[in-house]
Amino acid sequence: DQQVKQNSPSLSVQEGRISILNCDYTNSMFDYFLWYKKYPAEGPTFLISISSIKDKNEDGRFTVFLNKSAKHLSLHIVPSQPGDSAVYFCAAENEKLTFGTGTRLTIIP
Amino acid sequence: DTGVSQDPRHKITKRGQNVTFRCDPISEHNRLYWYRQTLGQGPEFLTYFQNEAQLEKSRLLSDRFSAERPKGSFSTLEIQRTEQGDSAMYLCASLDSYNEKLFFGSGTQLSVL
Repeated sequence: DQQVKQNSPSLSVQEGRISILNCDYTNSMFDYFLWYKKYPAEGPTFLISISSIKDKNEDGRFTVFLNKSAKHLSLHIVPSQPGDSAVYFCAAENEKLTFGTGTRLTIIP
Repeated sequence: DTGVSQDPRHKITKRGQNVTFRCDPISEHNRLYWYRQTLGQGPEFLTYFQNEAQLEKSRLLSDRFSAERPKGSFSTLEIQRTEQGDSAMYLCASLDSYNEKLFFGSGTQLSVL
């Protein structure tokens, strides 16, 4: 039972353009959502989060949008930079974090 | 370094052997989590502690797995009679309850031959 889904296993974006990563969830009890970034052989690192009472949170080049009625969130990175190439995990919280399967983002110079 | 520390980084073992991993969380964090990640998957929840109390265990955590946090500081995860299906990265994380951020260690990569 995959409660958090990232349907795109990979995404390639030209440097300087916008990267949009998507995530869907099924459990309406989730009240907090996070994005993590992971490089090979390292643990995930926190990127940005959003509470269920908000629909947008912005931090520099990163913006997370939450659509509760659609049970959908997205991460926008603009402008995309080569250092953004990594695997991105969406996670949802209800006492513990439940992660999606990840999207591998590749920024093409 | 005040981050989450995990030891060892890599462990290769033969099927049937026991292994133990250690996690040292960020010192002021009361909540500690163990996750497991296999190739192509996101981290999967195994168990978590509030101080020394183990509050929840996933059904993924078979009776061959045991976790402890005896003094509410570091934690150990032991796998008995390892199987090839146990091969994965085992991640430890501690929670900054003020801003609800989970900080992960670099993980222990287990390979069972």
